[in-house]
Amino acid sequence: NAGVTQTPKFQVLKTGQSMTLQCAQDMNHEYMSWYRQDPGMGLRLIHYSVGAGITDQGEVPNGYNVSRSTTEDFPLRLLSAAPSQTSVYFCASRPPATSEHGVRVTANSPLHFGNGTRLTVT
Amino acid sequence: AQSVAQPEDQVNVAEGNPLTVKCTYSVSGNPYLFWYVQYPNRGLQFLLKYITGDNLVKGSYGFEAEFNKSQTSFHLKKPSALVSDSALYFCAVRDDKIIFGKGTRLHILP
Repeated sequence: NAGVTQTPKFQVLKTGQSMTLQCAQDMNHEYMSWYRQDPGMGLRLIHYSVGAGITDQGEVPNGYNVSRSTTEDFPLRLLSAAPSQTSVYFCASRPPATSEHGVRVTANSPLHFGNGTRLTVT
Repeated sequence: AQSVAQPEDQVNVAEGNPLTVKCTYSVSGNPYLFWYVQYPNRGLQFLLKYITGDNLVKGSYGFEAEFNKSQTSFHLKKPSALVSDSALYFCAVRDDKIIFGKGTRLHILP
């Protein structure tokens, strides 16, 4: 298994340009998410998806769009890049829900992270 | 609303000494707590988790963490630090979403 794969590793954009950050996982994980990492801010959740066809907003969704047409892929789109979007972006996924005593449980599964995309917007 | 705090931006420890990286949390229900480590130019890697049961949780690379409900803390510990433990460490809490602390940079001095 390749795990969580992010492309590209580095990208430089001019203000106003658009681009898509790719994320793919081959572990059949239902849950996928995007975080941005900024110095002194830790990781902040942008968008997440609990399964194909379902997406939801995280802490900092403005300026970003996502879609989830397949279980494997969860692309992040910047429609009009701004310097404030200069950051390192991480995609993460989590194994499917397990069943404990008839109850569907997902909370105890750790996230699997990709190696990140470093984006600079000038 | 859930939150997690790591009060120290950086921790310096001499090699061979015990280390502690602090984390406190706030959640409305039962906490699901995690520690992750990040090496340069890499994504985060899972170290250990607390869901329920014993308050002392053991994880990867000799790390352990102690859950203290009364102090709402989940400090990461290791009895004897290695230079290779130098990295960025994140505490995380899961309520409805997974929220990360701001990270603590651990420097192990040879």
